[in-house]
Amino acid sequence: SQQGEEDPQALSIQEGENATMNCSYKTSINNLQWYRQNSGRGLVHLILIRSNEREKHSGRLRVTLDTSKKSSSLLITASRAADTASYFCATDDGGTGNQFYFGTGTSLTVIP
Amino acid sequence: DAGVIQSPRHEVTEMGQEVTLRCKPISGHDYLFWYRQTMMRGLELLIYFNNNVPIDDSGMPEDRFSAKMPNASFSTLKIQPSEPRDSAVYFCASRGRRYGYTFGSGTRLTVV
Repeated sequence: SQQGEEDPQALSIQEGENATMNCSYKTSINNLQWYRQNSGRGLVHLILIRSNEREKHSGRLRVTLDTSKKSSSLLITASRAADTASYFCATDDGGTGNQFYFGTGTSLTVIP
Repeated sequence: DAGVIQSPRHEVTEMGQEVTLRCKPISGHDYLFWYRQTMMRGLELLIYFNNNVPIDDSGMPEDRFSAKMPNASFSTLKIQPSEPRDSAVYFCASRGRRYGYTFGSGTRLTVV
């Protein structure tokens, strides 16, 4: 299946540090998205990057995409305790792009 | 907009009972998705609808699972009969023209 994999599974950093999470996927895609999930809540859409884009920024978030390596990274700069959550990448299967497959997630803990 | 609304938030039922989960998508969104999340399997796409029509139900685990979308503002996911291995958090998400999903807060189902 197209389900992606995030790396690392868990990450613990000090407040103010940068956090980098990686996502690998298997087949060609049209788009890749990143989501955040706070404990006990639904997923919240963070950012979408298209297959013809290599980098995208949104506030303290920076996403890169390398389609040749079938991988993406999410960088959170100057992390805050409120960034503590699980982060998921989601990819389509390169077809209609109507359905997305979620990775296994990275659990980020930001220590105040 | 109140976002995607799911009910109930928590459901505890006995094995063999029928369970019905409900979802109200965001008005104007023409795609609706049902996901199941467990620690072991992560987020699994069960079924999705476009304009109230089921498009892909290949993720529905067994015939015990069924989903309907009688109109643009309401969908149900039914499990009959329920089994302990169905215990999970079930999410509904909707999507409009933009690719980002909006997730509900989920229904935590426990089958004892």
